[in-house]
Amino acid sequence: EAQVTQNPRYLITVTGKKLTVTCSQNMNHEYMSWYRQDPGLGLRQIYYSMNVEVTDKGDVPEGYKVSRKEKRNFPLILESPSPNQTSLYFCASSLVTSRDRYSPLHFGNGTRLTVT
Amino acid sequence: ELKVEQNPLFLSMQEGKNYTIYCNYSTTSDRLYWYRQDPGKSLESLFVLLSNGAVKQEGRLMASLDTKARLSTLHITAAVHDLSATYFCAGVMGSQGNLIFGKGTKLSVKP
Repeated sequence: EAQVTQNPRYLITVTGKKLTVTCSQNMNHEYMSWYRQDPGLGLRQIYYSMNVEVTDKGDVPEGYKVSRKEKRNFPLILESPSPNQTSLYFCASSLVTSRDRYSPLHFGNGTRLTVT
Repeated sequence: ELKVEQNPLFLSMQEGKNYTIYCNYSTTSDRLYWYRQDPGKSLESLFVLLSNGAVKQEGRLMASLDTKARLSTLHITAAVHDLSATYFCAGVMGSQGNLIFGKGTKLSVKP
């Protein structure tokens, strides 16, 4: 089944303790992206990647890191989480080719992170 | 920089009524997406609108795009409870095709 898989689904941690949220897709998509969703703010992009080893900042990259060593994986790293990073996080992927230039984003099921 | 604004942000409807959600965007976007999100769930793609005048329909939902007015609409016909969800529109920024989302419209359909 074609899907974007995020882990974990729920995570409670303490301020300053490094964490990684994993994201994996099995659709051979070039483009991957991380969003955070907060009440009243919609979805805001954190980082995105056009392909392996190509990453760029979105609207709210502060406090986050990403890497794209393999096409299928795009982990989100919080080196020193703070309470203002408590949020619902979504990973998404899509094809980026001339043939499928308009393919929609496929979203993972989300990771609800609480930082105390 | 592309900004996407939806209105209304909250919409309470009675079953059987019609209504329209509006999505305005600030700069050129060569396509426009609509997504649906059920409470506690992920986002599901509804429509991709590719050109001026594009209209797409699925069941009781119809989406349209006016690129000259930088406006997309999502029209709901004869609403039913199953349509209760949050609806997002998203435009595309830059040559790399980054999606920029509106804040969403939370739709509640009541009997």
